[in-house]
Amino acid sequence: QSALTQPASVSGSPGQSITISCTGTNSDVGGYNYVSWYQQHPGRAPKLIIYDVDDRPSGVSQRFSGSRSGNTASLTISGLQAEDEADYYCNSYTSAITRVFGTGTRVTVL
Amino acid sequence: EVQLVESGGGLVQPGRSLRLSCAASEFTFDDYAMHWVRQAPGKGLEWVSGISWDSSRIAYADSVRGRFTISRDSAKNSLYLQMNSLRVDDTAFYYCTRARFLEFEFDLWGQGTLVTVSS
Repeated sequence: QSALTQPASVSGSPGQSITISCTGTNSDVGGYNYVSWYQQHPGRAPKLIIYDVDDRPSGVSQRFSGSRSGNTASLTISGLQAEDEADYYCNSYTSAITRVFGTGTRVTVL
Repeated sequence: EVQLVESGGGLVQPGRSLRLSCAASEFTFDDYAMHWVRQAPGKGLEWVSGISWDSSRIAYADSVRGRFTISRDSAKNSLYLQMNSLRVDDTAFYYCTRARFLEFEFDLWGQGTLVTVSS
């Protein structure tokens, strides 16, 4: 159950777009559509922002979008805003009927 | 208000046991699978365990299998995590989360309860 691989940090200026990758295997990210993304601000519980690879829950900004290519899922934040500064985690269902999180990415708005 | 509230955290010595509880309110508890997710201070999220709506399917992370037991009580709308043989590296905030099915996304989170394992 190795954690999915994410970049430790990504930064961008307000208004720019950034993309966070999440790399796994064909036993998790590449094998199932159950890939989700979570945003976590300091001292707060995580919040769901993307599910089923590219679906967005109601109430989540359209600036957040998800995609996948092979064993790598991606989260794109467009029109970066100061409030987007947070930690982001991907998660996937696995062939062992377990769940696995990514290593986490700190997003900094310059 | 739809919410999950964890309790039972605290300071415990290595090798001892602790039981966490999670109370669900304002939604139909039996309609959802439930999970525990933990986060060591300053570290990333780690999935710990999940249980289906009817307790027929249960899964554990390798790091806790054989030491932790997840369970649920529909009459009390509650989720539990029995933690035995605790180790220093079990120190973390423990979050209760729900998912429509065991495989689905975690769409509601509690605020977490801190477990500190130290002598």
